[in-house]
Amino acid sequence: IVMTQTPLSLSVTPGQSASISCKSSQSLLHSDGKTYLYWFLQKPGQSPQLLIYEVSSRFSGMPDRFSGSGSGTDFTLKISRVEAEDVGVYYCMQATQLPWTFGQGTKVELK
Amino acid sequence: EVQLAESGGGLVQPGGSLRLSCAASGFTFSSSWMSWVRQAPGKRLEWVANIKQDGSEKCYVDSVKGRFTISRDNAKNSLYLQMNSLRDEDTALYYCVKGGRVFDSWGQGTLVTVSS
Repeated sequence: IVMTQTPLSLSVTPGQSASISCKSSQSLLHSDGKTYLYWFLQKPGQSPQLLIYEVSSRFSGMPDRFSGSGSGTDFTLKISRVEAEDVGVYYCMQATQLPWTFGQGTKVELK
Repeated sequence: EVQLAESGGGLVQPGGSLRLSCAASGFTFSSSWMSWVRQAPGKRLEWVANIKQDGSEKCYVDSVKGRFTISRDNAKNSLYLQMNSLRDEDTALYYCVKGGRVFDSWGQGTLVTVSS
């Protein structure tokens, strides 16, 4: 499954919102009824960290300004009220069908 | 606190071998699927392999099948990746990751460079 993110880069004014799109080449709805779509943030010089799992569930400790939505093949990560600590590269990933695959990443920076 | 510490990376010639290790702590290692994910310079993240809690199930991305072997030692809280017949395109930062599907903790990575 090919994961395609848009845009590839985003410049955001602190306090404004930002959205990242992730589209999959096939539906991510698994036969068990779940949709295994994840979002990660890789901050500069750090390892990726899990933000969102199964489309819309926020991982423990992640701020509520991060939200995920979507279904089938179209998914969105929204960051409301962007803060300085949110800069980095955001990746979507599917784990519905092997091999698990990632999007190409969206670089978010501050204006 | 979950900690994952990779080691074993380095410079190797094409066709050579390396064994990566990951020392895990801060969680019940024997109850967790584990994975390896890599990131080549300037490229997207790539899932490489995962292994079930007891080692009875292992999955690989096609590009490493037959060359890489994932394994674990639950008594030592350790994950391994044996990499044989290395190619230039295997050059990457290799991350040890907790989880087989939900990648909830990542190590800092160990760099593998394949070059003559």
